[in-house]
Amino acid sequence: DTGVSQDPRHKITKRGQNVTFRCDPISEHNRLYWYRQTLGQGPEFLTYFQNEAQLEKSRLLSDRFSAERPKGSFSTLEIQRTEQGDSAMYLCASSLSGPQGVYGYTFGSGTRLTVV
Amino acid sequence: DQQVKQNSPSLSVQEGRISILNCDYTNSMFDYFLWYKKYPAEGPTFLISISSIKDKNEDGRFTVFLNKSAKHLSLHIVPSQPGDSAVYFCAASKSGYALNFGKGTSLLVTP
Repeated sequence: DTGVSQDPRHKITKRGQNVTFRCDPISEHNRLYWYRQTLGQGPEFLTYFQNEAQLEKSRLLSDRFSAERPKGSFSTLEIQRTEQGDSAMYLCASSLSGPQGVYGYTFGSGTRLTVV
Repeated sequence: DQQVKQNSPSLSVQEGRISILNCDYTNSMFDYFLWYKKYPAEGPTFLISISSIKDKNEDGRFTVFLNKSAKHLSLHIVPSQPGDSAVYFCAASKSGYALNFGKGTSLLVTP
C-alpha cells in the first residue's frame, strides 16, 4: 500500500463547470476525510466517512459540494457550478479507528483546483 | 473562529540547535493533538501525536509537550537539520474525528 492516493493532482476548470476528484485511502482504514486548504491557511475540515456512511459535514460544505464513498473504499468529491472561490487544494485523509483510539491519520498529496 | 492558533508565522534556527514550535487551542474538549510537516505542493506528512492523557510524547528527534491547563502544546526538534525546513501545522480534535488546524509555522534551519 502506497498511502492515500488522490487523482487528479491538478485541475483547471472554467467557472460554472462541474469537477470530480477521487481519493483512494489506505486499504485497511475505515475512516476517510476531505479537507480544503487555501493559501496561508491550515487545512479546513469538509466531511468524513466511517466506512460508507457520511457522518459529519462542515458548514463549509455548501449545497454545490457532494461527497460519496459508495462501497466504503474510494471516495469522490464533486463540486457543481464551480466558482472562483472554490480554487484551493483539496486534501483527502484516512485513518483507522477502533476501541483503542485513532491511528495513522494520513493525508494524500491533494488535488489543486484552479477555477478560471 | 480559529480554535487552534500558531502565533509565530515563521522561525529561523541554526543547524544543530533546538527548534521549538508553539500552538495554543481554545476548545477544552480537544483530546487528541497532532503535528504535521508540509512541503509545497504536497499533502501534510504526519510527524507525531499526543492524547490528552499524556503530557509528553517522544519519537526520535521530535518531542511534543502538552500543557492542558494552559491549553498549549509545543513541538521540540533537536538537533535541527536543514531537511527539517518546512511548514509545520498543529492540529487538534475531539476523539480523532475532524482535525482543526492552525495556520502553520514556517521553519527555516540554516547551516
